[in-house]
Amino acid sequence: EVQLVESGGGLVQPGRSLKLSCLASGFTFSNFGMNWIRQAPGKGLEWVASISSSSNYVYYPDTVKGRFTISRDNAENTLYLQMTSLRSEDTALYYCARTPNYYFDYWGQGVMVTVSS
Amino acid sequence: DIQMTQSPASLSASLGETVSIECLASEDIYSYLVWYQQKPGKSPQLLIYAANRLKDGVPSRFSGGVSGTQYSLKISGMQPEDEGDYFCLQGSKFPLTFGSGTKLEIK
Repeated sequence: EVQLVESGGGLVQPGRSLKLSCLASGFTFSNFGMNWIRQAPGKGLEWVASISSSSNYVYYPDTVKGRFTISRDNAENTLYLQMTSLRSEDTALYYCARTPNYYFDYWGQGVMVTVSS
Repeated sequence: DIQMTQSPASLSASLGETVSIECLASEDIYSYLVWYQQKPGKSPQLLIYAANRLKDGVPSRFSGGVSGTQYSLKISGMQPEDEGDYFCLQGSKFPLTFGSGTKLEIK
């Protein structure tokens, strides 16, 4: 059974940093691209970052480019999202998700990040 | 960026009714379109990929269609468990973009 478990969220002040983790199990992690997607409270979904299976390619939308860094450790079956210069608009539930192709087939349960002073 | 205009924002349907949700892409996305269902407090669940291919295990009352840049999700015979939010996602080009969502309720 595919499982994705996010951790590392919490309350952080504007301008500070936070690193999220996503531990994967139930599939060969190194064979799949991975992603972060977020959902602000009561709002829709926003794609945040993607990384290829061997970390050769990473992609970000302009809203987080230069502030967020996606990475992975295939030996540890873990996906990361390093977030810096956090803003109030980054407050959201952050999901990690697996990519078999161009979409997300399995999602974690999400981890909440609240940016507030 | 590719804009995905989703409609309606909300929808109320009776049990057994057929409902349709639309996503209009701002340019050709070559059927790189998926549909998700999200229930309160849960993560999104994949329903349809490649515009009209049903994920294994998803009930056959769900179907996807495409006409030009207009994509549709149809539920043929609304069931109580179909209540929730529905989102489309285009995977044709980065940045990947979602529709704004449709809240589907039982009437």
